Amino acid sequence: SYELTQPPSVSVSPGQTARITCSGDALAKQYAYWYQQKPGQAPVLVIYKDSERPSGIPERFSGSSSGTTVTLTISGVQAEDEADYYCQSADSSGTYRGVLFGGGTKLTVL
Amino acid sequence: QVQLQESGPGLVKPSQTLSLTCTVSGGSISSGDYYWSWIRQPPGKGLEWIGYIYYSGSTYYNPSLKSRLTISVDTSRNQFSLKLRSVTAADTAVYYCARDFKAVAGGFDYWGQGTLVTVSS
Repeated sequence: SYELTQPPSVSVSPGQTARITCSGDALAKQYAYWYQQKPGQAPVLVIYKDSERPSGIPERFSGSSSGTTVTLTISGVQAEDEADYYCQSADSSGTYRGVLFGGGTKLTVL
Repeated sequence: QVQLQESGPGLVKPSQTLSLTCTVSGGSISSGDYYWSWIRQPPGKGLEWIGYIYYSGSTYYNPSLKSRLTISVDTSRNQFSLKLRSVTAADTAVYYCARDFKAVAGGFDYWGQGTLVTVSS
């Protein structure tokens, strides 16, 4: 089976650009998704199909993909963006079609 | 607006069965566009996918939980359910139900608020 690896933490100052990476072999074949989770709340989808943004998600959130690594970029970070971010993909190795989550990255806005 | 709501006991004794139900409103669980998932999050830890079910009853389970897990669907009530047998303290978590917009690879676009289940005697 596959795994998705994220850095445990990323810190940026307000107005700067935050980049959170997610790596894993599954990403070479499957789409990536990104979720934002604030304390005590359910996760919210912020990026789907590697780089698409759901309606209602600010334009400062973007996603990109290259080989086995995907990146969530938050441009002009705001204090309200401080949260945990999880990448997600699919595990389609063999006949298994499960769901994978990365371990999560805590974004701190300094 | 689609809404998902988890319900079930907040406390389960070790070795017993954890049972939760997710009620979907604002949309039909019988739509072929979606898979319906359970996802959990132990306190202070990351997300773990448990499994999902299609309206037809087809299921896909996390291999690490498969031997203890049953997910079922009741289309007449617009609900799907989770049963996890022989629970231990390691199964203590916030349990979420979520909709996977599979038809367009849209990801988990709607989530329930989550319900904390504690396994303790």
